[in-house]
Amino acid sequence: EAQVTQNPRYLITVTGKKLTVTCSQNMNHEYMSWYRQDPGLGLRQIYYSMNVEVTDKGDVPEGYKVSRKEKRNFPLILESPSPNQTSLYFCASSTRGLHTEAFFGQGTRLTVV
Amino acid sequence: AQSVAQPEDQVNVAEGNPLTVKCTYSVSGNPYLFWYVQYPNRGLQFLLKYITGDNLVKGSYGFEAEFNKSQTSFHLKKPSALVSDSALYFCAVRDYMNRDDKIIFGKGTRLHILP
Repeated sequence: EAQVTQNPRYLITVTGKKLTVTCSQNMNHEYMSWYRQDPGLGLRQIYYSMNVEVTDKGDVPEGYKVSRKEKRNFPLILESPSPNQTSLYFCASSTRGLHTEAFFGQGTRLTVV
Repeated sequence: AQSVAQPEDQVNVAEGNPLTVKCTYSVSGNPYLFWYVQYPNRGLQFLLKYITGDNLVKGSYGFEAEFNKSQTSFHLKKPSALVSDSALYFCAVRDYMNRDDKIIFGKGTRLHILP
């Protein structure tokens, strides 16, 4: 089954404790992206990757890191989480191109206390 | 820069009535427009897209969308609403300029279908 898998689904952590949210897709997609969803703000792009070893900043990259060592995986790293990073996070993947739709993971609800 | 706007935060419709969720866009070049739906505790799911051709696009779950170039709109519609259609709906445009490849979302419209 074609899918994007994120882990964990829920995470509560303390300020400053490094964490990684994993994202994996099984569709051989070149494009992968991370978004955060906050009430009233919709989805905002954090980072995206157009292929292996190619990553670019989205609209809200501060406080986040990503890597793309393999085509299927695109982890999101918070080196020193802060409470303002409490949010719902989504990973997405697609083929390249203007006309292609994205596939989304189930989401990770992160709370930083 | 490309953008989409969803002017309504929330739309309430009685079950069985037609529904419309509005979206307007601002793009340079040809617009490639999408609708996604988010059910509670789930990720976004693709509903339909406009690439070119017919202005009325049909998608999943009985939804359709009408592309109107003169009004720069891409409204989502369904002839008869179901309670199970209650969800958060996002309009989106894909922006591919130079090296960038971004999907830009509207802020979302929460649809409530009243029994």
